[in-house]
Order: sequence, then structure tokens, then C-alpha cells
Amino acid sequence: QKEVEQNSGPLSVPEGAIASLNCTYSDRVSQSFFWYRQYSGKSPELIMSIYSNGDKEDGRFTAQLNKASQYVSLLIRDSQPSDSATYLCAGGGSSNTGKLIFGQGTTLQVKP
Amino acid sequence: KAGVTQTPRYLIKTRGQQVTLSCSPISGHRSVSWYQQTPGQGLQFLFEYFSETQRNKGNFPGRFSGRQFSNSRSEMNVSTLELGDSALYLCASLQGAYGYTFGSGTRLTVV
Repeated sequence: QKEVEQNSGPLSVPEGAIASLNCTYSDRVSQSFFWYRQYSGKSPELIMSIYSNGDKEDGRFTAQLNKASQYVSLLIRDSQPSDSATYLCAGGGSSNTGKLIFGQGTTLQVKP
Repeated sequence: KAGVTQTPRYLIKTRGQQVTLSCSPISGHRSVSWYQQTPGQGLQFLFEYFSETQRNKGNFPGRFSGRQFSNSRSEMNVSTLELGDSALYLCASLQGAYGYTFGSGTRLTVV
């Protein structure tokens, strides 16, 4: 099993819809999680961090963490064409010293 | 506050050569991590430095090395370049509990 797994997509949603991005992780990943957005040819940009079970909201974005199921998700409400990008889920390494373990990323396409 | 600065942005090198990449973290940040991103392998952790000490290392051959200076600037070096080393090399600065901020990266092409 990979340490952090994501469906590579593409996930296609119409403009204005809710996009749901999912990520599962293994026991080797510590309990801090991050969602990054990466546009083609650019570097990853941090969107959300989540450390505790439950939901964390920031504007149109909601991150959800379920430690029992080893599951992290990102919801994007009112999706816009500008949200079209690759979304990377990352967890801290077990030693939690500057190491992030990334999933392969999910490509999101928001169609006008 | 300036972000994470990586230089150069682009590099073209020949197989067998060596290369040095530079990263300046966000001012005041002492942790610098390096990652390699390729289409096939995704983002993979290379190593992390904190206060001039390597704290963590990924699963890369010894050709990949790094160091950190007293002003927190970091360099990574790749010796005896191979075609497979062509990648986007990213540096990240730890922003406390908030997370890691990446620089714009150095795109290395080995021919």
C-alpha cells in the first residue's frame, strides 16, 4: 500500500458545483495533513492544513480528516474554472521533521 | 515578507556533469526541505535541514547531497548527472504549524 493515495482523475465538475477530492493514508504517515494546489508548470501552493479529526473551513474550501478511517478530503464549493489544477494531498512523515509524503495528485477540471 | 527563493529557475546540463541549486527560505525560517518532482514518481522528499544539520533524508542515491548555511540558505548538489535526474526540484520552508511553503522551483534538464 502506498503511504498516501489519491485517485489521479481527472475529476470533472461543472462551474458552481462542489468538487470532492479524496485521499487515504497508511500507518506510516503522521497525523498532520496538507492540501496543495498545483497549476501546470508552477510549484505547489498550500491551500489547507488539518491536524484534528473533523472539518476545517476556509472560504470555499473545507478539509475533512477522519483518523479512524485514515481518510482526508477536500471540498471545493462553488467551483470556478480557475480552480482547474492538480490537487496534492500530503501527510507528515512519521518523524515529522520536514518530510512530507505526497500522493500522486488529482487533476480537477471545472467546466464553464 | 519575501517567499522562498530558488535559483536558478532553469538549468540544462549534460550527463556526467554536476549541478548546484540554491534555496533561500522565508526570512526567520530555519527548516528547509528539498523535493524532486517528476511526472512518473510525483513529489519525492530528498532531505531536510534545520540549523545547518540534516535531520531527515529520503531514499535517493548518494549523488544527491545538500547543506545549509548559518543564514539558513541551503544548497543541493547532484553529481554525475543522469538523464533520469531531469525534474523540477523544489525547496520548501516550514511555516510553523501552518505548513510548508514552496519556492518556484528549479527545472533541471539533463541531456
